[in-house]
Amino acid sequence: GDSVTQMEGPVTLSEEAFLTINCTYTATGYPSLFWYVQYPGEGLQLLLKATKADDKGSNKGFEATYRKETTSFHLEKGSVQVSDSAVYFCALIDSGGSNYKLTFGKGTLLTVNP
Amino acid sequence: ETGVTQTPRHLVMGMTNKKSLKCEQHLGHNAMYWYKQSAKKPLELMFVYNFKEQTENNSVPSRFSPECPNSSHLFLHLHTLQPEDSALYLCASSQNLAYTSSTDTQYFGPGTRLTVL
Repeated sequence: GDSVTQMEGPVTLSEEAFLTINCTYTATGYPSLFWYVQYPGEGLQLLLKATKADDKGSNKGFEATYRKETTSFHLEKGSVQVSDSAVYFCALIDSGGSNYKLTFGKGTLLTVNP
Repeated sequence: ETGVTQTPRHLVMGMTNKKSLKCEQHLGHNAMYWYKQSAKKPLELMFVYNFKEQTENNSVPSRFSPECPNSSHLFLHLHTLQPEDSALYLCASSQNLAYTSSTDTQYFGPGTRLTVL
């Protein structure tokens, strides 16, 4: 079946540091890939997405590139801020399966210190 | 404001109680979802509704009973829960059930934090 594996947290960084959160996936079809963010006390918000190989999703300074050859969708940001502290979830929807079912990773807690 | 609201935000109940969670979406979407978020586990899809009809029950125990009276409202009725049911319950909605375009992204509510004593 489909699965998403993302790096274990927590990740603690200082403000303005570079961020990478790794995400790899397995899917039976050709998935669309997503990063969701969950700020404290809130629900999940879509951060960015990519629907085909080599697509780059970007939003709020975050980027992730759909790499089919390595089945990866790593999240990066060049300079994090305290306000980026949240839990980040990598997810996919598989066109080869139920094409509405989001499969999530376990989430990575990011804490950014001033 | 994501357009999806959930009440209550926090709920503490005993194992013999009956309670209900409510979700409302103001986005004009046709599909609604219930998810369970437990500590250190991936989000689990519980139920899916499309145009008020249930299209998926992901092997959820019968002590959880969903209800979708219209495309804007979704309830989760709870009875005789167990302590291991304590979790954050998230509601989501999307324009269409099948993800065929960026407009089909799922939008999440803030969740109900449930504690079963």
